[in-house]
Parts: sequence; structure tokens; C-alpha cells
Amino acid sequence: KAGVTQTPRYLIKTRGQQVTLSCSPISGHRSVSWYQQTPGQGLQFLFEYFSETQRNKGNFPGRFSGRQFSNSRSEMNVSTLELGDSALYLCASREKVTYEQYFGPGTRLTVT
Amino acid sequence: DAKTTQPPSMDCAEGRAANLPCNHSTISGNEYVYWYRQIHSQGPQYIIHGLKNNETNEMASLIITEDRKSSTLILPHATLRDTAVYYCIVRATGDDKIIFGKGTRLHILP
Repeated sequence: KAGVTQTPRYLIKTRGQQVTLSCSPISGHRSVSWYQQTPGQGLQFLFEYFSETQRNKGNFPGRFSGRQFSNSRSEMNVSTLELGDSALYLCASREKVTYEQYFGPGTRLTVT
Repeated sequence: DAKTTQPPSMDCAEGRAANLPCNHSTISGNEYVYWYRQIHSQGPQYIIHGLKNNETNEMASLIITEDRKSSTLILPHATLRDTAVYYCIVRATGDDKIIFGKGTRLHILP
């Protein structure tokens, strides 16, 4: 099976812009989670989607949003980008039954 | 907040067993212990998980103490490719959120 894929892998944006990141889960996985990783804060949970419904949300401002499509692919959006949003954004998918999460390679976002 | 405590870094000689400890003294009865690792600039990789019995797979072994308040991840024959940050996580069945702590940075020495 192909692993979790994320696009784009690298992105440079300017403060105030918005960005959309995409994640394709492993075939058959219906749950997709998003995480932000920075050197200072480490890995932090953003949100999880299952069958197109957001099931859980971390402590991030409303500028961070996401959605999941009927084919389980997911997108996350960050509006009004700030310098502090520069990070590695990771997507993970899992089958409901086994609960192991499989991570993608991440999207490295740089905000200038 | 993460419910686990790990040493910030450890060294291990190549070819030797790497034993990574994790304390989770407040673990609940329905919480599993999971281990992931992250090699530089890659996404975390699932290694192993367990509830109360010791577990072994092709990557590692997981030893959980009888009171479940601590565990040890064992990489039996460490190689340079095992250099990574190792995260120990506790998580309940049905709990969708993974809370990562700081992890242990494992250095494999040639």
C-alpha cells in the first residue's frame, strides 16, 4: 500500500496570506489527523477528521481549519499567516480498529 | 500536557541494544503505551504499542512493568539508522488525539 502523501512538500508564503495543505491517507484509512511541529513547541495536535466530521480539535486559533472529503483526503487551511506559523505540518492516517497512526513526510511551511 | 517522562537524550554504541525508558505513572487502565520515532525532517514512524503484556515485533521490543507505571523500548541491535527522536505516548482506546512530549534523542555511536 502507498503511504500517506502530503502536498506540497515545501511552501513559502508571506505574512497575511493564506495557505492550503493537502493530505491523502493510506487506502482504507478513514481517519486523518493534522499536527504542527516547531522547534520550540514540538509536535502539537491540530485536529482529526473521521468520515468527513471533525472529531477532535487542539488548542489553535480559528485561523487554522480543515476538512475531509468523501474519499478521506483532507485539507487544512491557515488564513492570515503569521511568522509563528512557520513549521512542519504533518498529516497522519489510521484505521479505526488498530489505532496506529501512520504519518506522512510533512509540508514545510515558511512564512516570511 | 504529555503524560510521559523521558530522558532528553541517550547514547548507544552501534551493534548494542538500546534501552529507552519512559515513565507514565498516571497511566489509566484503558490506556496503551505507544512508541514512535522521528528521523530528522521526516514524519514520525510507528514502532510498537502495548497494554500490559510485553510486545515484540520486527523493529523492537516493549517491556511494560507490572504496575504499568513505566516501560522500556528495546532496539536489540542498534544501527546508525536508528538515530532519531523516540516518543513514548499513552493513549486510551477511542482517544483520537496523540499528545507528544519532548521525546528522547537517541545517538548511535559508531
